[in-house]
Amino acid sequence: AQSVTQLGSHVSVSEGALVLLRCNYSSSVPPYLFWYVQYPNQGLQLLLKYTSAATLVKGINGFEAEFKKSETSFHLTKPSAHMSDAAEYFCAVTTSGTYKYIFGTGTRLKVLA
Amino acid sequence: NAGVMQNPRHLVRRRGQEARLRCSPMKGHSHVYWYRQLPEEGLKFMVYLQKENIIDESGMPKERFSAEFPKEGPSILRIQQVVRGDSAAYFCASSRGMDGEAFFGQGTRLTVV
Repeated sequence: AQSVTQLGSHVSVSEGALVLLRCNYSSSVPPYLFWYVQYPNQGLQLLLKYTSAATLVKGINGFEAEFKKSETSFHLTKPSAHMSDAAEYFCAVTTSGTYKYIFGTGTRLKVLA
Repeated sequence: NAGVMQNPRHLVRRRGQEARLRCSPMKGHSHVYWYRQLPEEGLKFMVYLQKENIIDESGMPKERFSAEFPKEGPSILRIQQVVRGDSAAYFCASSRGMDGEAFFGQGTRLTVV
């Protein structure tokens, strides 16, 4: 069975500071990992995905994530937070040949001026 | 190429009424998935459909919920005799193949009063 754990349901950072959102996964087979962003009353927008190619994945809006198998982690980072980054972020896992995405409970990012 | 279209965006129903949620997949996509997001939770898989077939409904509540994806027209998620606990955001996703990347719609926010 697969699972995803997002540490910290709420994270606050100052504008210009580093953003670090944590995601740990559990999977008995090689995983595909995703980060989605959800703005208030909007749908999910894909930020980036890992599908067994490069372990450092670059996404949109300056975000990136690194797949670390030894730590079963896929943390999301951005060097400098912008006010427009305030949103909820979801980590999700699936595997090749399956269709169910298993989502974490989300992390709400607040950016302070 | 339009994305996944869901309507209505917001739906208010009184207890005991029926709710019908529609999802038009992206062009060329024949696989549709429905997810539910309860307040303060991540998305949970409900059902996976291909044209005219339900492939996996393991995440659907046993009663009152049904889904279809007819040969022509959108996929429909139907909730009969709604209760307050059905209040949630319902997201539809589509993909080209079973393990293709899923693209999410903006969701339908159902409020049961």
